[in-house]
Amino acid sequence: DAGVTQSPTHLIKTRGQHVTLRCSPISGHKSVSWYQQVLGQGPQFIFQYYEKEERGRGNFPDRFSARQFPNYSSELNVNALLLGDSALYLCASSWDRAQTQYFGPGTRLLVL
Amino acid sequence: AQSVTQLDSQVPVFEEAPVELRCNYSSSVSVYLFWYVQYPNQGLQLLLKYLSGSTLVKGINGFEAEFNKSQTSFHLRKPSVHISDTAEYFCASRGNSGYSTLTFGKGTMLLVSP
Repeated sequence: DAGVTQSPTHLIKTRGQHVTLRCSPISGHKSVSWYQQVLGQGPQFIFQYYEKEERGRGNFPDRFSARQFPNYSSELNVNALLLGDSALYLCASSWDRAQTQYFGPGTRLLVL
Repeated sequence: AQSVTQLDSQVPVFEEAPVELRCNYSSSVSVYLFWYVQYPNQGLQLLLKYLSGSTLVKGINGFEAEFNKSQTSFHLRKPSVHISDTAEYFCASRGNSGYSTLTFGKGTMLLVSP
């Protein structure tokens, strides 16, 4: 079975631009969470979606937004990019909100 | 609020030697605990998890961890490491309510040399 997939794998943007990252969960999983991993740190929680509704939000500015589609895939959007947004963005899926999360390979974003 | 502390940023060890990676957690509620491994330029792979029951948990690749409630610790161990175990290891916790947000430690880089 396919695991969590994310696209693109790498992305280079300039300050002020907008970016959209995509995630497809494991088949049958209804919950998707997004994490930001800055170099040398552990992942930090950004959002959790379950059944297409936002169920949790971490301490990130309103420039960050996300949504979940009827097929349970998800998008993370970041507006007005800052240099500090450069990171590995990880998507994780689980069968429901309370179950173990399984991670995708991540999207590495570089903001110049 | 929860927090996870990984006491060592790097652990160098020789091949076939035993290793212990330390993790302490802080939480006002009961927690579930996890260890994930991250190989270079990859995402996170689940090694093992403690949800309830036996405090000694066995995972993949020969790793095991012991939950110690009195010490608030969840240390990861392997009796004999291989070169291929070189990776970043993350300890994580989450509350045992119906909500699966993970709080991660800063990670420990395990460096295995011949």
